[in-house]
Formats: sequence, structure tokens, C-alpha cells
Amino acid sequence: AQSVTQPDIHITVSEGASLELRCNYSYGATPYLFWYVQSPGQGLQLLLKYFSGDTLVQGIKGFEAEFKRSQSSFNLRKPSVHWSDAAEYFCAVGAREYGNKLVFGAGTILRVKS
Amino acid sequence: EAGVVQSPRYKIIEKKQPVAFWCNPISGHNTLYWYRQNLGQGPELLIRYENEEAVDDSQLPKDRFSAERLKGVDSTLKIQPAELGDSAVYLCASSARQDRNTGELFFGEGSRLTVL
Repeated sequence: AQSVTQPDIHITVSEGASLELRCNYSYGATPYLFWYVQSPGQGLQLLLKYFSGDTLVQGIKGFEAEFKRSQSSFNLRKPSVHWSDAAEYFCAVGAREYGNKLVFGAGTILRVKS
Repeated sequence: EAGVVQSPRYKIIEKKQPVAFWCNPISGHNTLYWYRQNLGQGPELLIRYENEEAVDDSQLPKDRFSAERLKGVDSTLKIQPAELGDSAVYLCASSARQDRNTGELFFGEGSRLTVL
């Protein structure tokens, strides 16, 4: 069965510090990978996506993520966090073989302290 | 360009009452999705439409949930009767034909349902 694991429910970082949010997936097909961000009371906004090619992908707001097939991971990173980055982050996986249905992780809540 | 529009944003009802949610996708997007997001969890797919056809409704609890997309544009999701466990945020999303094979979705702000 397809599954996505985000091991950290909450993460707190200081403003200006670096950030890494973990995402591991279990998929029996070549995956498409996404990171979405959700601010309180808002819908999900796409940060970045990986379909193929370069395994290091750049997204909006200074985020990047690296696809590591050997580790079944797609971790999200940002070199310097801003207070406005406080939100909930969701990793999602899809595959053409599964009708492109996205499976989401449970999310990681990011808190930024000043 | 307008995004995915959902209404109502918030709804509070008593159990056993009916409720309906409405979604207007991005213009030109053929694929429409309804997701449910329980507190502290990621979204889970309820139903996916290609134009007016429901192509994946395997996760929709058909005893009490129904959905329609009559003209292949707007969609409604109905719950009748609502149960306490239906309290959640109901998210609508859409995608364009060129994105269909890559799964990129555009989400609305959601409809938060509280069942008392």
C-alpha cells in the first residue's frame, strides 16, 4: 500500500536558522513528489514538486527539496527560516500507475521563535 | 486568475442534520477533487471527477455522502445525515488536463464542518 510518513509532528526553529522537514514514502511505482504548505484557515499551497530529472528541486519562498530514491525520502529544506514560514507542511506522493491520486502525509507543524 | 472557490467556509450543525458544500474550480480545469482533512491529519481523497464523471469514489462513504458535478464545472458534496465523526475540513481541488499526469492540484480554502 502507498504511504507517506512525516516523522516529526512539530518542529520549532529560531528565526534565521536552517530547517529540514523529513518525508519518507512507500510506493510501488515511480513517484511524483510534492510539498504543500498550509497556513491556519487556508488551503494548501504548492511549494515545489519533483517529477523526474534533477533530484534537487527549487520551490517558492526559498525552499528546496532533494529526492533520494535509495532512501525513499524527499526532505524539505530552507537555509534561513523567516517568522512567516510558521505553518503546517505536507508531503504528498502520486504516481501515474495509481491514477495520479495524491497520498498525503500527516503533516509537520513548524513553529518559528524570534 | 481566480482560484478554487468553496462555500461555506464554516458550518456548524447538529448530528443527523444534512449539510452541503459547494466548489467552483479554476476555469478550464477538467479534474475536480474532494478531500477530507481530519484534525491533525493530511487530506484524504473522497472523490475525483473527470469533467462530470466520477472516476474514483472508492473512499466516499456512500451510505451518507453524495457528490455531483452536473455540468462538469461546479460541484457539490452532501452529507445526510451528518455524524459526529464527520467534523473535518472538506477541501476541493482542481487540476488542468496538462497536469493530470503529474498530479499537481490547486486547492480551495476549505469548508470547516463542526457536528455537535
